[in-house]
Amino acid sequence: DAKTTQPNSMESNEEEPVHLPCNHSTISGTDYIHWYRQLPSQGPEYVIHGLTSNVNNRMASLAIAEDRKSSTLILHRATLRDAAVYYCILRGYNTDKLIFGTGTRLQVFP
Amino acid sequence: DAGITQSPRHKVTETGTPVTLRCHQTENHRYMYWYRQDPGHGLRLIHYSYGVKDTDKGEVSDGYSVSRSKTEDFLLTLESATSSQTSVYFCAINGQGGPAGYTFGSGTRLTVV
Repeated sequence: DAKTTQPNSMESNEEEPVHLPCNHSTISGTDYIHWYRQLPSQGPEYVIHGLTSNVNNRMASLAIAEDRKSSTLILHRATLRDAAVYYCILRGYNTDKLIFGTGTRLQVFP
Repeated sequence: DAGITQSPRHKVTETGTPVTLRCHQTENHRYMYWYRQDPGHGLRLIHYSYGVKDTDKGEVSDGYSVSRSKTEDFLLTLESATSSQTSVYFCAINGQGGPAGYTFGSGTRLTVV
């Protein structure tokens, strides 16, 4: 399985945008980029996924580099509720498994 | 939440005893997964299932077995619990395979003393 690299932790102030980076230099052409987050004492929660084009949903935006070797999860206005561990995961189209790394712990300050 | 529940939510058991954790879904999803989460390791895949009676091993399957006799239930069994199996266990479901997102349960906190 291709690997991803994320910073261990990041900080943000409430109502500011947050850009969470992910490097995946060994990504293959059929790998989807998935993002999940895990709030304290809860199971992971699906955030967004994409293949080549940038994606937007009600939770976040996903910006994918043209060469697909990196991506950025964008939270447009951080809230205290967004404090969580964010996981960037590559998943092959025909792969039934989701392999987690250690993620980025996001702290949001009021 | 989507229709996925784990039971029990918390359990304390003694070393050497058998333990079964249950994951129940009401979504009729084909794929089900068991993960464990430990400090410093993130989530690690134990076993998964892609249909009734179809299961396969994940990254950390030693000491665990699973069964899926019907679509809605996926059971994780520790035949003889050890202290190294103290962890938080998460179940997940996925309906379509491919790139679709997973839905996770709330977890079972297991302590082996």
